[in-house]
Amino acid sequence: EAGVTQFPSHSVIEKGQTVTLRCDPISGHDNLYWYRRVMGKEIKFLLHFVKESKQDESGMPNNRFLAERTGGTYSTLKVQPAELEDSGVYFCASSQALGGYSPLHFGNGTRLTVT
Amino acid sequence: DQQVKQNSPSLSVQEGRISILNCDYTNSMFDYFLWYKKYPAEGPTFLISISSIKDKNEDGRFTVFLNKSAKHLSLHIVPSQPGDSAVYFCATRTGANNLFFGTGTRLTVIP
Repeated sequence: EAGVTQFPSHSVIEKGQTVTLRCDPISGHDNLYWYRRVMGKEIKFLLHFVKESKQDESGMPNNRFLAERTGGTYSTLKVQPAELEDSGVYFCASSQALGGYSPLHFGNGTRLTVT
Repeated sequence: DQQVKQNSPSLSVQEGRISILNCDYTNSMFDYFLWYKKYPAEGPTFLISISSIKDKNEDGRFTVFLNKSAKHLSLHIVPSQPGDSAVYFCATRTGANNLFFGTGTRLTVIP
């Protein structure tokens, strides 16, 4: 089966611009997560979708970040306007079921650089 | 405040020897613990897990130990192989599926 795919793999934008990241989860996975890793730090939770609904968005840094998952399939994460501190690697992950021992499957990430 | 800590940013081990990676957590409500492995330019890949009702789980060369009273988790790799060189992340969760990660330990296995 195809894994979690993310696009683009790299993005370099100027401060104040807008960037949209896309994630395609593993087919059939209802749970979709966004995480971010700033260089050398921990992988930090941003938000969690169950199908098209936001289950938990407590990790979203501020209202410059907007995540959507229309139709419960792929998801987008938009940053508008981007700031320097938004630089990092954004990971998407998906899992089949809540609870139990269902590990998250991660994509390769999008490396965002804001200059 | 970070709930999961990996205090060793790096570790070097000779091929064939044991690698021991450590992780400490603060929240006694965590009930499931995982280790992920990450190669450069790739996402984290699930390696091994353990629930809070156990104190050891083994899968081939990889063994995870859980000491709940000390809130400490460790991953043992034996024998270590050059292909094990990667960044290892400890992760934990409570009832929901959201994971809390540590900062990672870069393991280098020297041939």
